[in-house]
Amino acid sequence: EPEVTQTPSHQVTQMGQEVILRCVPISNHLYFYWYRQILGQKVEFLVSFYNNEISEKSEIFDDQFSVERPDGSNFTLKIRSTKLEDSAMYFCASRAVGSTDTQYFGPGTRLTVL
Amino acid sequence: QQQVKQSPQSLIVQKGGISIINCAYENTAFDYFPWYQQFPGKGPALLIAIRPDVSEKKEGRFTISFNKSAKQFSLHIMDSQPGDSATYFCAASKDFGNEKLTFGTGTRLTIIP
Repeated sequence: EPEVTQTPSHQVTQMGQEVILRCVPISNHLYFYWYRQILGQKVEFLVSFYNNEISEKSEIFDDQFSVERPDGSNFTLKIRSTKLEDSAMYFCASRAVGSTDTQYFGPGTRLTVL
Repeated sequence: QQQVKQSPQSLIVQKGGISIINCAYENTAFDYFPWYQQFPGKGPALLIAIRPDVSEKKEGRFTISFNKSAKQFSLHIMDSQPGDSATYFCAASKDFGNEKLTFGTGTRLTIIP
């Protein structure tokens, strides 16, 4: 069964450093999302992406965040200057076109900012 | 108005019993209500989903009950098994799931022998 994959599984970085989280969505999916989950809390929406542009973004997704689909398979989330409060699990999700399909989540990247 | 409220926060059920988790929403524009199951260290996995044109949907041991007038929906797990021990999130979305998911706060379910 096709699945969303994410790399790395765990990223440790120093405050102020840039990180790039990578996702490979399911191959025929055209809608892409990033969510995050702070330890013990609910999953929160960050951004949605379709047709090579951002469809919607949350208040969390400020100027420090950016997304990109650099080729036909990868979807990346970049945090320019990480803060301690960016420590969380980051989940990528993808969805096919059509009203019957839901979002399928990857296993996540645990980001730890020291 | 975008919130989805979920209860209880944690739930302990004996093996073979019925687990019930409840959610309530405020935004009447929501029209897609999935439930996700999450095991430690893993991403949320879709369990079952419902749209407001039906009041109940059943898949195996899992049933969603939906009350449009009360703006509430619930997950029932029949014959609960130790393998069902996980965190369950309800969620809601507009445009039949085309838009972002708004998640509830999660319920940690533990099934005891």
